Amino acid sequence: DTEVTQTPKHLVMGMTNKKSLKCEQHMGHRAMYWYKQKAKKPPELMFVYSYEKLSINESVPSRFSPECPNSSLLNLHLHALQPEDSALYLCASSPRRYGSGATDTQYFGPGTRLTVL
Amino acid sequence: SQQGEEDPQALSIQEGENATMNCSYKTSINNLQWYRQNSGRGLVHLILIRSNEREKHSGRLRVTLDTSKKSSSLLITASRAADTASYFCATDPIIQGAQKLVFGQGTRLTINP
Repeated sequence: DTEVTQTPKHLVMGMTNKKSLKCEQHMGHRAMYWYKQKAKKPPELMFVYSYEKLSINESVPSRFSPECPNSSLLNLHLHALQPEDSALYLCASSPRRYGSGATDTQYFGPGTRLTVL
Repeated sequence: SQQGEEDPQALSIQEGENATMNCSYKTSINNLQWYRQNSGRGLVHLILIRSNEREKHSGRLRVTLDTSKKSSSLLITASRAADTASYFCATDPIIQGAQKLVFGQGTRLTINP
C-alpha cells in the first residue's frame, strides 16, 4: 500500500460545529504532516508528528487540534472554525522520523476540501 | 516569508512543446524537490535533487540546480495534455532544520491540445 488516504473528501460545517479530518498511511512512515492550502497558494505547514509525538506546531490557532493515535493514523479535530479557515487540508507522510537529517520525499493524500459557513 | 519564488506564475504552451519553470530561493538548502498538483488534489512528488547534485532526469523531466545562484529549473519535454497542473518547488532550508519543506508560489502550467 503506497498511498495516503484522507476522509472525508469534502466537509461543510458551521462555525459552532465540531468535526474531524482523518488521514491514514500504511507505508510504515514515521513522520506525518498537516498542511493547509488556500486557492492558488502553496501548502502551508501546520503540524508535524514524528513517532506519534507532536514535533512542530506552526503557531496554529487552538481551534485546530491534531491527534496521532497510532503510527498509521493522524486526525485533525476542528472546533469553532471561522470562514477564513475554509481551505484544502492536506495530509502527508515521510519515511524517516522528523529531525533525522535532510528532508525526505513527502507523500500526500488527496486532501479534504473544507468549507466553513 | 516564502523561501521559494517561481517563475513564471503561469505558462500556457501547445502540446508537444517543452515547458521550463524556474525556482529561486534565499537560504542554503539540503535539497530541493519538485511536486505536481492537479486542480484541487494532493501533491505528487516528481524529483528530489540534493545540494551536491547539478542535474537529474526522470523520464521526460529534467531538473537542474545551481546553488551558487540559488536557483533550480524544471524542464518537461514533449508536453502532453495530462501535464496540465500546478508545479511547486519545495526547499529544505538548512537554517530551519530538517524535514520541513517550504514551498514556492507555484507555476500553473496549461498544455493546449
